[in-house]
Amino acid sequence: EAQVTQNPRYLITVTGKKLTVTCSQNMNHEYMSWYRQDPGLGLRQIYYSMNVEVTDKGDVPEGYKVSRKEKRNFPLILESPSPNQTSLYFCASSSGQEAYEQYFGPGTRLTVT
Amino acid sequence: AQSVAQPEDQVNVAEGNPLTVKCTYSVSGNPYLFWYVQYPNRGLQFLLKYITGDNLVKGSYGFEAEFNKSQTSFHLKKPSALVSDSALYFCAVEGTGAGSYQLTFGKGTKLSVIP
Repeated sequence: EAQVTQNPRYLITVTGKKLTVTCSQNMNHEYMSWYRQDPGLGLRQIYYSMNVEVTDKGDVPEGYKVSRKEKRNFPLILESPSPNQTSLYFCASSSGQEAYEQYFGPGTRLTVT
Repeated sequence: AQSVAQPEDQVNVAEGNPLTVKCTYSVSGNPYLFWYVQYPNRGLQFLLKYITGDNLVKGSYGFEAEFNKSQTSFHLKKPSALVSDSALYFCAVEGTGAGSYQLTFGKGTKLSVIP
């Protein structure tokens, strides 16, 4: 089954404790992206990757890091999480950048206390 | 900078009635426009997209959307609403000008279909 998986689905952590949210897709997609969803703000892009070893900032990259060492994986790293990073995070992938629909993972709900 | 506006936070419609969820956009160059749906505790699912050509685009689950360049709108429509259509709907735009290939989402519209 074609899918985007994320782990963990739920995470409660404390300020400053480094964490990684994994994202993997099995569709051989080149393009991958991370979004955060906050009430009243919709989805905002954090980082995206056009291919292996090619990443770029989205609209809200501060406090986040990403890497793309393999085509299928695109982890999101919070090196020193803060309470304002409490949010619902989605990973997405698509065949290409331009005009391709994106496939979304199930989401990771992160709470930073 | 590109942007998307969904002017209604919530739309209520009776089952069997037609529904419209509004979306307007601002972008440089010709837009690529998308609608996604999010069911509770799920990720977003693609519904339909406009790239070029016919202004009326048909998508999944009986939904369609009309691209209107002069009004910079891309409203989502369905002739007869189902209770199962109740969900959060997002409009998104991708610009084709310089620095594009980035998808910008609206804030979402919650659709409630009343039995």
